[in-house]
Amino acid sequence: EAGVAQSPRYKIIEKRQSVAFWCNPISGHATLYWYQQILGQGPKLLIQFQNNGVVDDSQLPKDRFSAERLKGVDSTLKIQPAKLEDSAVYLCASSLRRTQFYNSPLHFGNGTRLTVT
Amino acid sequence: GQQVMQIPQYQHVQEGEDFTTYCNSSTTLSNIQWYKQRPGGHPVFLIQLVKSGEVKKQKRLTFQFGEAKKNSSLHITATQTTDVGTYFCAGPSTNAGKSTFGDGTTLTVKP
Repeated sequence: EAGVAQSPRYKIIEKRQSVAFWCNPISGHATLYWYQQILGQGPKLLIQFQNNGVVDDSQLPKDRFSAERLKGVDSTLKIQPAKLEDSAVYLCASSLRRTQFYNSPLHFGNGTRLTVT
Repeated sequence: GQQVMQIPQYQHVQEGEDFTTYCNSSTTLSNIQWYKQRPGGHPVFLIQLVKSGEVKKQKRLTFQFGEAKKNSSLHITATQTTDVGTYFCAGPSTNAGKSTFGDGTTLTVKP
């Protein structure tokens, strides 16, 4: 099966600029996640979708970050305006299903490495 | 909120030595997953443990889930250079569905 596709692989922007990341999950995976991974740390969940509805966005800095998953398939994550501390790898993941207490294994994309100067 | 701690943060071993990483959650977990991330790569799913006290093996890797479902361990027997990477645990607490990742243990292996 095809894996999770993400683009771009790398992005360099100046602070206060905007940037967008795109993700195409594995076909049939209902749950889609966006994670932020800062160097030397574990992935931190930004937002989780079940089909096209938001399940959890409690750690998404909503003053600058936004995400959508139209039609329950592809998703985009946007940062506007970017800050220096947003420099990180942004990982998209998908899973087959999710219940309140059970998550199917996550399949990660290759990520987008964002550098904010 | 839920916190997941992993120790040690770094481990450097000689090839052939054993390696163990520990994962501890501040809340009871409904299940736990382990992932491996190679340098420059993305996390790749290794295994999932669900039952209290569960032990699973994958070749040289042994995974355990604690009786209280608040801790877990990964043990690698006779490490090889291919084992290099960062090992993460992640799990949803029983009172919230969101999975939290630990900060991982980075393993380096000297040939």
